[in-house]
Amino acid sequence: DARVTQTPRHKVTEMGQEVTMRCQPILGHNTVFWYRQTMMQGLELLAYFRNRAPLDDSGMPKDRFSAEMPDATLATLKIQPSEPRDSAVYFCASGKEQGVITGELFFGEGSRLTVL
Amino acid sequence: AQSVTQLDSHVSVSEGTPVLLRCNYSSSYSPSLFWYVQHPNKGLQLLLKYTSAATLVKGINGFEAEFKKSETSFHLTKPSAHMSDAAEYFCVVMNTGFQKLVFGTGTRLLVSP
Repeated sequence: DARVTQTPRHKVTEMGQEVTMRCQPILGHNTVFWYRQTMMQGLELLAYFRNRAPLDDSGMPKDRFSAEMPDATLATLKIQPSEPRDSAVYFCASGKEQGVITGELFFGEGSRLTVL
Repeated sequence: AQSVTQLDSHVSVSEGTPVLLRCNYSSSYSPSLFWYVQHPNKGLQLLLKYTSAATLVKGINGFEAEFKKSETSFHLTKPSAHMSDAAEYFCVVMNTGFQKLVFGTGTRLLVSP
């Protein structure tokens, strides 16, 4: 049963610390998304990759957030330094985009980040 | 820009009664619309999608949605609620050009015995 895998599932850290979240997309999927979910803002798109190339990271605070895809099986989202307002659930999603854009994404179970 | 508005933040039903979750969309052209479901502490899962092939769309677990252009609506329905349907439901519109999904604020469905 193919699924998107995210690690860690839970992370508690102190303000100022670096946080790295990892995502393994479904094999064969060529698009990867990072979303952030909070009670106040709902689901926000942070970054979008197609074929490992970043296409849209306009939703991401550039001064402290960075997203990369070192290879097709790994996407990372890094926060440095972390702040309490970064506390949220971060979701990774992957999809297959081959000419036809389906809009069907497969989500991981999320990484719940708490910054004290 | 495309957007969706979910008209209810919470909906409560009894098991066995119909479910109606309301969504209105705003788009300057024929949109692609979706419903995603999120169970507690889980990721989101695609429930169904509309891409202009048919106005009545059937999804998983007995859910369906009807696209009504005249009303700019895409309401989600189910004839008979089950306890396992308790979750958060998101109406979603897809921006053109790439798979950028714009999520509504969500409707939490509560199902009582």
